[in-house]
Amino acid sequence: DAGITQSPRHKVTETGTPVTLRCHQTENHRYMYWYRQDPGHGLRLIHYSYGVKDTDKGEVSDGYSVSRSKTEDFLLTLESATSSQTSVYFCAISSSTDTQYFGPGTRLTVL
Amino acid sequence: RKEVEQDPGPFNVPEGATVAFNCTYSNSASQSFFWYRQDCRKEPKLLMSVYSSGNEDGRFTAQLNRASQYISLLIRDSKLSDSATYLCVVLDRGSTLGRLYFGRGTQLTVWP
Repeated sequence: DAGITQSPRHKVTETGTPVTLRCHQTENHRYMYWYRQDPGHGLRLIHYSYGVKDTDKGEVSDGYSVSRSKTEDFLLTLESATSSQTSVYFCAISSSTDTQYFGPGTRLTVL
Repeated sequence: RKEVEQDPGPFNVPEGATVAFNCTYSNSASQSFFWYRQDCRKEPKLLMSVYSSGNEDGRFTAQLNRASQYISLLIRDSKLSDSATYLCVVLDRGSTLGRLYFGRGTQLTVWP
């Protein structure tokens, strides 16, 4: 399995609080991604990174920001969490623009 | 219109059965195609890539029809361990990287 970890694995928070999710990889892959998965939807891309300090928006980026200061870490921040951001968040990595490998996921509940 | 549409499922089949999943995609310029498998409350894992000539990996066969924008996955001799959700995934290459588009998934349950 690809060396990808996510932390925390589970989090419950309240509306309006900031939340940061961390994705860490040991594969030295260039590309990293954040997705969310919700019932009735396929995985949807939030943000992605194509190198250190190089990031861009995906299809559902509103309310989220990201940072990548090191190759191995990609952080996803919810500046002010809302109930609509309750979801399962997956990080993925890729060495090319092709096959992606996923981390174990973070279950976030916003009350 | 969604980028990737899959059979709604769920599929419930006995061990040993053959089952097929279908998927259509909307962007004729899509360049790469995959099937991922996702177990309950786990991350998606790559099952196999799908090539224009069709490809086989053990009991699994994937087919691609570019003209019809159609992808299929055939599972022969189903095992209990095949029970999972199967995700059809399409890659569209943009200017900076390829973007994956996921179907909603088709749930398979194999019963003894």
